[in-house]
Amino acid sequence: DADVTQTPRNRITKTGKRIMLECSQTKGHDRMYWYRQDPGLGLRLIYYSFDVKDINKGEISDGYSVSRQAQAKFSLSLESAIPNQTALYFCATSIGRGGLYDEQFFGPGTRLTVL
Amino acid sequence: AQSVTQPDIHITVSEGASLELRCNYSYGATPYLFWYVQSPGQGLQLLLKYFSGDTLVQGIKGFEAEFKRSQSSFNLRKPSVHWSDAAEYFCAASQAGTALIFGKGTTLSVSS
Repeated sequence: DADVTQTPRNRITKTGKRIMLECSQTKGHDRMYWYRQDPGLGLRLIYYSFDVKDINKGEISDGYSVSRQAQAKFSLSLESAIPNQTALYFCATSIGRGGLYDEQFFGPGTRLTVL
Repeated sequence: AQSVTQPDIHITVSEGASLELRCNYSYGATPYLFWYVQSPGQGLQLLLKYFSGDTLVQGIKGFEAEFKRSQSSFNLRKPSVHWSDAAEYFCAASQAGTALIFGKGTTLSVSS
């Protein structure tokens, strides 16, 4: 089984709908991240969590919220989806716990289309 | 502000030819440096990483990268490109306790 899983893998929704993207990991890592990828823009950080009680905004958090339900689970919500949130969304994890570096491990991505 | 720049948006290389993808960073101190590859329809896979020490880093799939402090660069190289190397490549950087910052990516096409 994959170490970092994302559900759903593909989702088409309509403007104004609430959407939740879920991420689970079996790596035992403390840190989890949500990114979005747009063509020509690379990956941009939406939110990150260094442990269950720690949530931080990233570069582009407006219009998004997150929930860290457990060490292994980190969900991203779009409260009222809009078309410019159409993108590929990645979850990632890293070890934390005083690790010297933040090598991140990525999930397979969720392709979200907002009509 | 901290940033990572990949000057080349798209590069085409003949199969068997050598490859160099450029990456420059702007940080107050030397960050940790990474190269990731994203094959079509796939997630990101780590190719190699640099933290300290030897400035020439070996990675998977025959890739290597050289850290040059004087040029704030971390360029990715491969001596002989294979068609399966066609993908998007991302350079990224971080410092202890901070999240990764990615470059915008370079798309590699391989011609026969």
